[in-house]
Amino acid sequence: ETGVTQSPTHLIKTRGQQVTLRCSSQSGHNTVSWYQQALGQGPQFIFQYYREEENGRGNFPPRFSGLQFPNYSSELNVNALELDDSALYLCASSLSGLSSYNEQFFGPGTRLTVL
Amino acid sequence: QKEVEQNSGPLSVPEGAIASLNCTYSDRVSQSFFWYRQYSGKSPELIMSIYSNGDKEDGRFTAQLNKASQYVSLLIRDSQPSDSATYLCAVSHFGNEKLTFGTGTRLTIIP
Repeated sequence: ETGVTQSPTHLIKTRGQQVTLRCSSQSGHNTVSWYQQALGQGPQFIFQYYREEENGRGNFPPRFSGLQFPNYSSELNVNALELDDSALYLCASSLSGLSSYNEQFFGPGTRLTVL
Repeated sequence: QKEVEQNSGPLSVPEGAIASLNCTYSDRVSQSFFWYRQYSGKSPELIMSIYSNGDKEDGRFTAQLNKASQYVSLLIRDSQPSDSATYLCAVSHFGNEKLTFGTGTRLTIIP
């Protein structure tokens, strides 16, 4: 167990709806990164939050947004859901957003299905 | 060309043998390299990190890095059925914690 938690475990939504996914980072970690993993693919970087500020963003549209709270937990929001948003959403926590040497530890993920 | 490439497999290895997993990357500024194991339906689990050229050993696992050849590998000695999983190679760049993953190699250990 990494100490990173995510909720909910599974979620079913319909196209056009909005969804919020939650993540609690490992104790002592101030950085949370979000990834999307489609079936049979490696995780794709969505964005990262370091001390409540966005610290890098991948190639995802603006309808993917997030925030980080003072306790370093984080939310991922997706608006106007599309069928292709169906995936496993992974949250990873790390010690600091400033070094590529920091190891990232993943939570169990949220499986999102868009119908 | 994909930034991180792995053979998707499946790679089948007899129990007790050495499993060898390979990964190449295209960006020379890649600085840090990670191997994750992912069981079906689960999230990735960090196995090894490596930052310098050469070998790094941890139990039955050895990571090997060759920055000149832009190549990183993972060796699993004395393979066990519980090692059957998808192995993901990930890289990150200087000053940036974003991980770029390969598509993973599916490994099956045959009893």
